Amino acid sequence: RKEVEQDPGPFNVPEGATVAFNCTYSNSASQSFFWYRQDCRKEPKLLMSVYSSGNEDGRFTAQLNRASQYISLLIRDSKLSDSATYLCVVTDAGNNRKLIWGLGTSLAVNP
Amino acid sequence: DAGVTQSPTHLIKTRGQQVTLRCSPKSGHDTVSWYQQALGQGPQFIFQYYEEEERQRGNFPDRFSGHQFPNYSSELNVNALLLGDSALYLCASSLSAQETQYFGPGTRLLVL
Repeated sequence: RKEVEQDPGPFNVPEGATVAFNCTYSNSASQSFFWYRQDCRKEPKLLMSVYSSGNEDGRFTAQLNRASQYISLLIRDSKLSDSATYLCVVTDAGNNRKLIWGLGTSLAVNP
Repeated sequence: DAGVTQSPTHLIKTRGQQVTLRCSPKSGHDTVSWYQQALGQGPQFIFQYYEEEERQRGNFPDRFSGHQFPNYSSELNVNALLLGDSALYLCASSLSAQETQYFGPGTRLLVL
């Protein structure tokens, strides 16, 4: 089993749609979780950290389910500019400075 | 406040050659991590430098080496290049006590 798994997609949604991504991780001792966004041929940029209580930033909501070992990202009212690859990131259980990355989920928002 | 910078932006090498990539961390950051991202893949952790020492290393051969300087900037060296080393090489910086990593624009390496 991969350490961090994501559905690669692509997800094709119309503008205004709500879309959700899930990500599962294998090590129950992992402590920190993030969603990064990566545009084509650009570097990853931090979208949001994921906290146990869940957190929201505008149209984006991230949730963590430790019991089932997955994190989710919900995007409401999708915009064309949301088209990108969304990468799930988990810190290594034994070393919080080492990031373990999923392969990313590709999202295309269509007019 | 300058963010993370990397040089060069693009590089073409041939098999067997050696390459050095450079990274300057975000102002105030003291930890530098290097990642390799092949096309269609997520970034793979190469190693991390803190206080001029390699603190953590991923599953990369010894051909991949690095260095951190007193000003916290860092270099990634790859010897005996292989075709499979073609990738985007990303540098990320962070504060030692925090986990949030900020990425530079990357160096795109092509090995022919």
